[in-house]
Amino acid sequence: KQEVTQIPAALSVPEGENLVLNCSFTDSAIYNLQWFRQDPGKGLTSLLLIQSSQREQTSGRLNASLDKSSGRSTLYIAASQPGDSATYLCAPLGGGATNKLIFGTGTLLAVQP
Amino acid sequence: DGGITQSPKYLFRKEGQNVTLSCEQNLNHDAMYWYRQDPGQGLRLIYYSQIVNDFQKGDIAEGYSVSREKKESFPLTVTSAQKNPTAFYLCASTPPGGEAFFGQGTRLTVV
Repeated sequence: KQEVTQIPAALSVPEGENLVLNCSFTDSAIYNLQWFRQDPGKGLTSLLLIQSSQREQTSGRLNASLDKSSGRSTLYIAASQPGDSATYLCAPLGGGATNKLIFGTGTLLAVQP
Repeated sequence: DGGITQSPKYLFRKEGQNVTLSCEQNLNHDAMYWYRQDPGQGLRLIYYSQIVNDFQKGDIAEGYSVSREKKESFPLTVTSAQKNPTAFYLCASTPPGGEAFFGQGTRLTVV
């Protein structure tokens, strides 16, 4: 059974700092891994998708890496802004013989102006 | 516009009543998923379907039922057997091995 852990559970940083969010998963037989952002009371917005054959993906100030063999992914946010405040979730797709999309518990990020 | 539509946005259920949440997608995705989110917690998988007329239980399927009669539709019924249904429900879809897209969610409250 795929289990996904995100560390830290919560993070508060001053504006302008670079930061790293961590995601680990127990079953490395995945198709891809996706990072999402969720604002309070809202649905999920996709940030980055990394295919299992890739090592990293970049979009603007965001960079996500994937080490499938060790079951780890990181999301790097450069020059954080108050508008980045949200919950960040990672979700590997697959794991074993299934096509399940399983989520971690998330990291709640607060960027202080 | 392509996307996933969940309805209604807010739903109120009386004790002992069954209610159905709608999820429709026009992305031509094969797989669809239902998740439950409780305050301050992550998403837990209720049911998922990889093809029409087939679906599998997730981690918390008890008290819920689904159908997948059409590729674009994956409705979720919250039955009276679900003792604590108040939560935020999210629907998602993916192409094979591809990017997942989510609806905006339905907030269900028991009154």
